Amino acid sequence: DGGITQSPKYLFRKEGQNVTLSCEQNLNHDAMYWYRQDPGQGLRLIYYSQIVNDFQKGDIAEGYSVSREKKESFPLTVTSAQKNPTAFYLCASTQNKPNQGNHEQYFGPGTRLTVT
Amino acid sequence: KQEVTQIPAALSVPEGENLVLNCSFTDSAIYNLQWFRQDPGKGLTSLLLIQSSQREQTSGRLNASLDKSSGRSTLYIAASQPGDSATYLCALEGETSYDKVIFGPGTSLSVIP
Repeated sequence: DGGITQSPKYLFRKEGQNVTLSCEQNLNHDAMYWYRQDPGQGLRLIYYSQIVNDFQKGDIAEGYSVSREKKESFPLTVTSAQKNPTAFYLCASTQNKPNQGNHEQYFGPGTRLTVT
Repeated sequence: KQEVTQIPAALSVPEGENLVLNCSFTDSAIYNLQWFRQDPGKGLTSLLLIQSSQREQTSGRLNASLDKSSGRSTLYIAASQPGDSATYLCALEGETSYDKVIFGPGTSLSVIP
């Protein structure tokens, strides 16, 4: 089955610790995204990557870091510098060539991170 | 700067009723508009995607329309069922910023048996 997987589903960490969230896709999509969702708010873009070894900051990148060493993987690290890390994190991908295709976004099941 | 709004924020209807969810946007220069469903604690499931050149898309009991000139899209759900209860989000991709998608805040729908 093609799709996007995120692990773990729930993650608990102590304040001051870095934590890495996994995102893997086997859709052969070029572009991958990380979003954060807080209660009562829409999705906010953290980082995105259009191609391997390249990524761009989204609207709320402070306190986060990413890497894109392989096409199918886009891990997100929540660092201790992120002031309010407790949230629901969603990974997405799309076949995203400019002016080609419909750019439909596919989402993973999400990881709920709780930092205490 | 593109802004996306969805009104109402929450909606409760009796089972069997037809309903319309609204999505408004400020910049009509869009590449596509996508409607998603999100169940509590889950990821987003794509329902319908409308390309800029299209006026509507249909899938089963769902019909999505797009009017770029007025900055509006609607998601029509026919004969609603309790299983339709979820949050519905619309998202837009700009014509020139193809690498970013802007999401609306969502409408929380409850269908009462």
